Amino acid sequence: QVQLVESGGGVVQPGGSLRLSCAASGFTFSSYGMHWVRQAPGKGLEWVAFIRYDGSNKYYADSVKGRFTISRDNSKNTLYLQMNSLRAEDTAVYYCAKDFLAARLHAFDIWGQGTMVTVSS
Amino acid sequence: DIQMTQSPSSLSASVGDRVTITCQASQDISNYLNWYQQKPGKAPKLLIYDASNLETGVPSRFSGSGSGTDFTFTISSLQPEDIATYYCQQYDNLPPALTFGGGTKVEIK
Repeated sequence: QVQLVESGGGVVQPGGSLRLSCAASGFTFSSYGMHWVRQAPGKGLEWVAFIRYDGSNKYYADSVKGRFTISRDNSKNTLYLQMNSLRAEDTAVYYCAKDFLAARLHAFDIWGQGTMVTVSS
Repeated sequence: DIQMTQSPSSLSASVGDRVTITCQASQDISNYLNWYQQKPGKAPKLLIYDASNLETGVPSRFSGSGSGTDFTFTISSLQPEDIATYYCQQYDNLPPALTFGGGTKVEIK
């Protein structure tokens, strides 16, 4: 079945780094754009980043630009989010999500179960 | 940046009631508007895309309408399993950005 499974979350100190992974199965991963979306505890949803199907273009929310890097390995059907210079306000559940389209932002039609990132000393 | 104002932030209704949620964009977004349902502890689920298109497998009691700056999401007959928080989401590709509304928590009266 179509599935996205995130991993790599945990507790990290402010200023630290963490890399999240998202393993995809059940669909042609290399044909779709992919996103990261986060949700702080008790708060709403916030889009974080998008990568085109072929990895050639990447877009970021202003809140993470310059600190986070989205990437993908189509040979491994895996999406990544490298998070550097982490701040307390980055504490959230991080979801990976598949887009309807390959190369443009549209809608999230498949979501993972999420992985929790806590930034705390 | 485009801002999305969703209202109300919460509502309480009886089983069988018609429920309406609105989302207003800070500028014209055509029909670039999607709606999601999120149950507690779960990932969101796409219900409506491009303002009025029902995602495959979603019950027909859910519907969406609107274009430009004003959008409406409707549950025609509220069911107990519809208890959730609902979010609107706009998308733009020039420049590329996605924004969610603040969410509407729907409870049973």
